[in-house]
Amino acid sequence: AQTVTQSQPEMSVQEAETVTLSCTYDTSESDYYLFWYKQPPSRQMILVIRQEAYKQQNATENRFSVNFQKAAKSFSLKISDSQLGDAAMYFCAYRGNDMRFGAGTRLTVKP
Amino acid sequence: ETGVTQTPRHLVMGMTNKKSLKCEQHLGHNAMYWYKQSAKKPLELMFVYNFKEQTENNSVPSRFSPECPNSSHLFLHLHTLQPEDSALYLCASSHGTGDTEAFFGQGTRLTVV
Repeated sequence: AQTVTQSQPEMSVQEAETVTLSCTYDTSESDYYLFWYKQPPSRQMILVIRQEAYKQQNATENRFSVNFQKAAKSFSLKISDSQLGDAAMYFCAYRGNDMRFGAGTRLTVKP
Repeated sequence: ETGVTQTPRHLVMGMTNKKSLKCEQHLGHNAMYWYKQSAKKPLELMFVYNFKEQTENNSVPSRFSPECPNSSHLFLHLHTLQPEDSALYLCASSHGTGDTEAFFGQGTRLTVV
């Protein structure tokens, strides 16, 4: 079974600074997709960024980028120029034969 | 708004009650999912429906009964629940069960008393 591990239950960042959230996963599949979702207090899970495992280039979406290390099975999320609205729970997710989520990292942004 | 709507947003029910959670999407997606989100635990996949057919049941107790009458609607029927079933229940949908991301509803916060 695939497992997704987020080792940081909570993280804090100063506004305008950069923060990196960690995620590792375990799988025997060769084709899969990885995602970062954001869940603000409204509870709506929102897709932040996705990465196809067959692509070597790291995905980027504006202030959000990933560091995908396939051999190490690592998929970290970097948030640059952090904003107050970035405060939320962040979930790393793996989609292969099914979709699995990590336990989440609560990000606090300090003004 | 992601296009996935869940009702009710909050539900309090006794252990002997019967209630249903509803999920609706008009995104043209073929796959729909129920997840359970408990505090400090990973999201737990409960059920997967693809083209109205249940394709996955992750050892969910029979007190949870899903129903998918069409590709746009998904229900979760609840009966004789336990207090440990209290959680946020999230519905999601996707174009298929393969390579695309899932779109989530806002969830139903369930409290079993």
